[in-house]
Amino acid sequence: KQEVTQIPAALSVPEGENLVLNCSFTDSAIYNLQWFRQDPGKGLTSLLLIQSSQREQTSGRLNASLDKSSGRSTLYIAASQPGDSATYLCAVRPGNRDDKIIFGKGTRLHILP
Amino acid sequence: DVKVTQSSRYLVKRTGEKVFLECVQDMDHENMFWYRQDPGLGLRLIYFSYDVKMKEKGDIPEGYSVSREKKERFSLILESASTNQTSMYLCASSETAVSGNTIYFGEGSWLTVV
Repeated sequence: KQEVTQIPAALSVPEGENLVLNCSFTDSAIYNLQWFRQDPGKGLTSLLLIQSSQREQTSGRLNASLDKSSGRSTLYIAASQPGDSATYLCAVRPGNRDDKIIFGKGTRLHILP
Repeated sequence: DVKVTQSSRYLVKRTGEKVFLECVQDMDHENMFWYRQDPGLGLRLIYFSYDVKMKEKGDIPEGYSVSREKKERFSLILESASTNQTSMYLCASSETAVSGNTIYFGEGSWLTVV
């Protein structure tokens, strides 16, 4: 059974620093992996989607990488800003007919001004 | 822009009431999902649907039912609300895995059962 883990559960970083958020999954047979952002009390907003055949995706200051063989993905945020404070979740779409998407519990990020 | 709309953002209901949470998507997606999100437990899948009139149980279906009479609309029903169903409910939609597309979420519905 696929499991998705995000460690640490919370992280505080001074403004301006580059940072990496981690996501690991137990079964390497996936269709894709997606990173989301969630602000308090709101829904999830998609940040980046990496297909199983891809190694990374970039959007602005965000870069997500995927290493299927090791069951790991990272979300790199460059030059962090207070507006980046949010919870970041990763989600895996399994590589079978089942379309159920499996989420990690997220990393709560706080950027210190 | 893809839009998933949850009609009610905040609801307060009494124990034993029947509750309807409505979700509409405008992208002709085949798949629709209902999750609940609780502190420390993350997102848990309640029900999902691959197509009209089709439904599958997720990880925590007890106490809930769903309806999908039209492709764009997926309703979550709490037959008899209980206080342990106080939570944030999130609806989502996506295309099938074969197309590899992203999943889109609504803004969430905060339900308090008193």
